[in-house]
Amino acid sequence: AQSVSQHNHHVILSEAASLELGCNYSYGGTVNLFWYVQYPGQHLQLLLKYFSGDPLVKGIKGFEAEFIKSKFSFNLRKPSVQWSDTAEYFCAVTFNQGGKLIFGQGTELSVKP
Amino acid sequence: DGGITQSPKYLFRKEGQNVTLSCEQNLNHDAMYWYRQDPGQGLRLIYYSQIVNDFQKGDIAEGYSVSREKKESFPLTVTSAQKNPTAFYLCASSIGVRSFSYNEQFFGPGTRLTVL
Repeated sequence: AQSVSQHNHHVILSEAASLELGCNYSYGGTVNLFWYVQYPGQHLQLLLKYFSGDPLVKGIKGFEAEFIKSKFSFNLRKPSVQWSDTAEYFCAVTFNQGGKLIFGQGTELSVKP
Repeated sequence: DGGITQSPKYLFRKEGQNVTLSCEQNLNHDAMYWYRQDPGQGLRLIYYSQIVNDFQKGDIAEGYSVSREKKESFPLTVTSAQKNPTAFYLCASSIGVRSFSYNEQFFGPGTRLTVL
């Protein structure tokens, strides 16, 4: 079955630390990849997305993600986190054109000031 | 101000009662979705609709029903057959139809349903 895995359930960092959140998916065909973020009390919103082209994609608020096809991964990175990055982060994938969006379990990020 | 509205924000119901969650969008999107969010499980798709008067079951449709009589509205009914209805419910929409898988989904603020 098609699935998306986020290995880190809860990550705690201090401000200015670097961030990398893992995301792996199970299928080897055509995929579209997304990272969504849910700040406390706010709507789920799109952070960045990859459809094709340069595998390193940049999103809002200094986030970026790299698509590594051979590893079925789409890890999210940020060089220096801020307290305001405290949120829950979801990786999501569509498998093949017309496919449904399948979400990972989510990673809760807590940034200590 | 375009977006997706869900009401109410919090909903309490007694066990055995059906309850309907509202979702309205003014983005002129064709596709709409309902997800259930539980701690540690991410978002799971309940139902989706790519066009008015048509909808499909998602991964966890049992105990839920939907309708799509208008483009802007996609209400979800949680029936008494749903064994564990207490959860956070999110509605989303996307441009959809022709490029279903490519389009970004926009989410509403959610409804937290508690069954007592």
